[in-house]
Amino acid sequence: ELKVEQNPLFLSMQEGKNYTIYCNYSTTSDRLYWYRQDPGKSLESLFVLLSNGAVKQEGRLMASLDTKARLSTLHITAAVHDLSATYFCAVELYGQNFVFGPGTRLSVLP
Amino acid sequence: DAGVTQSPTHLIKTRGQHVTLRCSPISGHKSVSWYQQVLGQGPQFIFQYYEKEERGRGNFPDRFSARQFPNYSSELNVNALLLGDSALYLCASSLSDRGTYSNQPQHFGDGTRLSIL
Repeated sequence: ELKVEQNPLFLSMQEGKNYTIYCNYSTTSDRLYWYRQDPGKSLESLFVLLSNGAVKQEGRLMASLDTKARLSTLHITAAVHDLSATYFCAVELYGQNFVFGPGTRLSVLP
Repeated sequence: DAGVTQSPTHLIKTRGQHVTLRCSPISGHKSVSWYQQVLGQGPQFIFQYYEKEERGRGNFPDRFSARQFPNYSSELNVNALLLGDSALYLCASSLSDRGTYSNQPQHFGDGTRLSIL
């Protein structure tokens, strides 16, 4: 059974600081997705990573995928309050089944 | 363009009852998936449908069933409701085809919050 873990589960950081969220998974896959969820809202797609070494950037967020290490990272640069949300990674398995991690709840403090 | 729409937004039921949740995908999307999200956790996969056929099923009891209609909308049915079924139920659609991988992000609706008393 595939397990998807995220670290940390809770993150409180100051504006302007950098930090990385880690997503580890337990089986071979080269398809990983990152989503954002605001409180009481649905999930919004951030990044789609479809191969080993894939790197995507959007604004202050950058995601990467290392399929050999079964690891994806979401790096936050110079955090701002608007980035406060819960971030989920999801691994796609054969048959278009997605397994989500538990989420990382990020709070960016002024 | 309209996104994924779900109805109702909130629902309160009692144990033993049944419930039907509805989802309309983004226009042109033929794949619909259902997820259960318990407060504080990530979404758990329940079903995926493509062109009216069930293509995937998660680890949920037979009390959970779903179907997809010719217009690609979908219903999730849950029978004999239990307290543990209280959750946010999310529907997602995507442009994926019949391939083994979608390679596409899923577009989520706002969900139906189901409370069981």
